[in-house]
Amino acid sequence: SQQGEEDPQALSIQEGENATMNCSYKTSINNLQWYRQNSGRGLVHLILIRSNEREKHSGRLRVTLDTSKKSSSLLITASRAADTASYFCATSPKYIFGTGTRLKVLA
Amino acid sequence: GAVVSQHPSRVICKSGTSVKIECRSLDFQATTMFWYRQFPKQSLMLMATSNEGSKATYEQGVEKDKFLINHASLTLSTLTVTSAHPEDSSFYICSASSDRSSSYEQYFGPGTRLTVT
Repeated sequence: SQQGEEDPQALSIQEGENATMNCSYKTSINNLQWYRQNSGRGLVHLILIRSNEREKHSGRLRVTLDTSKKSSSLLITASRAADTASYFCATSPKYIFGTGTRLKVLA
Repeated sequence: GAVVSQHPSRVICKSGTSVKIECRSLDFQATTMFWYRQFPKQSLMLMATSNEGSKATYEQGVEKDKFLINHASLTLSTLTVTSAHPEDSSFYICSASSDRSSSYEQYFGPGTRLTVT
C-alpha cells in the first residue's frame, strides 16, 4: 500500500520558475527522503530530513517537514530543463514511496 | 554516496522460465536490502525487505514462492522471478541500507528491466 501521496501529480513550468511539490504520509516516521527519477532510470537521492527537523536546504532544493500534519514539501528554485523528472517522497522505517510528481520544465 | 549495482540491467526471457537479478552493495555492508517493482509511469511498490542471513519479509499481495529473495551476505541479495509470465514484465529496483548508519539512508541500484515474452 502506498504510504505517501504527492501533490500535484503533474507540474509543468517555465525554466527559471520555482517548482513546489507536496507529500503527505499516514504513519509515524523516522525520516523522509526525496528522490528524483528520470524516465526509465534508477532513483537519485536528493535530500533526507529527519523527523525532528523542520527545514533543510541543499543547493537549489529546500525541503520542509511538518510532522503534525504528516506532510513535506520540496521546493526547487530557479528550475532548469534538466530538472524534468519524476519526484518521489519515501518515508522510513519502511520506505514506502509516494505516488510521485511528474515535473516538466520547459526551456 | 554509497554505490549499489544491479545485474543484469535488462533481461528478456520466455514465459515459464526463471530469471535471477542480483543486487550488490559495492562499498558498504548492507544489513537490509529492499526490492521494489515499478510499472510504467507509476510509483515504486515495495515487494519485500530482507535482512542478511534471515528470511525476507514480503509485502501483502506479493507471492513469496514466485519472487524468491536471498540475502546471503552483507553485500549481495538476489531476486529470482520463477516461472515468469508476461505480467511480471516490469522495472525491478533494489536498494540497500546499513543499520550502522544513523541516517537510515537507502541507496538505490539502477534497476533491471525485465521483459517476459
